[in-house]
Amino acid sequence: GENVEQHPSTLSVQEGDSAVIKCTYSDSASNYFPWYKQELGKRPQLIIDIRSNVGEKKDQRIAVTLNKTAKHFSLHITETQPEDSAVYFCAATKAAGNKLTFGGGTRVLVKP
Amino acid sequence: GAVVSQHPSRVICKSGTSVKIECRSLDFQATTMFWYRQFPKKSLMLMATSNEGSKATYEQGVEKDKFLINHASLTLSTLTVTSAHPEDSSFYICSALTTSTDTQYFGPGTRLTVL
Repeated sequence: GENVEQHPSTLSVQEGDSAVIKCTYSDSASNYFPWYKQELGKRPQLIIDIRSNVGEKKDQRIAVTLNKTAKHFSLHITETQPEDSAVYFCAATKAAGNKLTFGGGTRVLVKP
Repeated sequence: GAVVSQHPSRVICKSGTSVKIECRSLDFQATTMFWYRQFPKKSLMLMATSNEGSKATYEQGVEKDKFLINHASLTLSTLTVTSAHPEDSSFYICSALTTSTDTQYFGPGTRLTVL
């Protein structure tokens, strides 16, 4: 089955700096890659997703890049703000709508 | 749009009792819902896939007789933890799939504590 590795497990950045989280996946058939943000005790919230027919997608301060050949994808947060502090999870699946395999999560702390 | 609710948000029960958790899609129909378990500071672990009108598909290592899933309508799936024990204490989260975008939206979670 699919295996998703996520790095780093923790990330501390200064407010205004950029944060980058990287994930690798094992199943070359995977073609849908969502990212979720989870605040303490709250539900995971979808912040951005990318499908395998594109290499990059951007939404304001958040962007995701996908390298299908290398089987990795990354989340980029620019101009970080304290409210970006949370745990971020990447996930992968063979088709949007199928069960997701999650990475281990990255705890991001943005220091004011 | 795409709101998912869960009830209860928090439950404390005695060992040996059964607990039912409801997951509802409030503004869309979901033929597929997923149930996850999350331990403190850990990732989400998929327990089962719930399909409306059919039996749930359980992940390897998840006891189907222990975690009963019923998806009786297009907006409601329930997870019943039978004969709960302290090791079943966890954060249980459901998600519902929107067929329009094939996106999973998560419920707020249920924190189960078994004494």
